[in-house]
Amino acid sequence: DTAVSQTPKYLVTQMGNDKSIKCEQNLGHDTMYWYKQDSKKFLKIMFSYNNKELIINETVPNRFSPKSPDKAHLNLHINSLELGDSAVYFCASSQTGTAYEQYFGPGTRLTVT
Amino acid sequence: AQKITQTQPGMFVQEKEAVTLDCTYDTSDQSYGLFWYKQPSSGEMIFLIYQGSYDEQNATEGRYSLNFQKARKSANLVISASQLGDSAMYFCAMRDVGDTGNQFYFGTGTSLTVIP
Repeated sequence: DTAVSQTPKYLVTQMGNDKSIKCEQNLGHDTMYWYKQDSKKFLKIMFSYNNKELIINETVPNRFSPKSPDKAHLNLHINSLELGDSAVYFCASSQTGTAYEQYFGPGTRLTVT
Repeated sequence: AQKITQTQPGMFVQEKEAVTLDCTYDTSDQSYGLFWYKQPSSGEMIFLIYQGSYDEQNATEGRYSLNFQKARKSANLVISASQLGDSAMYFCAMRDVGDTGNQFYFGTGTSLTVIP
């Protein structure tokens, strides 16, 4: 019973391609997130959705577009991939409230060649 | 200003010894939560421990304890009796009410190496 799942786990693609990463959570949480972790392990918040509404939209190139069809799913579409997009992308979910931790998916390692 | 500061990029500890990983935070909210996560070399993010801003006692979870000093705005993680499997990156995080009530702030992490 995976709590937060992401597909694919690995993604290797060429510059200029368009790709998507899917995320699903079965915890009943109302908030989902996308993070980018670079080679120095720094975790950068990209987007967050609360009940399908975009609530956090950090400074991210508009080539990145999130989409939340329902509370349990948050997908990330990336257009015109660049070398600098190579990173690990984590999906996470949480319930609203300062006492609740985030549950992370296993991560998607994106390599752009 | 940084919301979460971890000043130790790398730490070493002898197996079976205790180690403290430092974390300071910055918020003007009265209600907030502090969290520690472990990221082993396999890459997954593992939640370790939580401390609420109103909690008077330090949180403990097995060999993990959180040394919470509210006045100093510090939330250090103490790992007792270190094991080789504790070698990993450790992230401190905070969640406050803020604008959305849903944003987590992460530190830059501390890489812990346990020496046999």
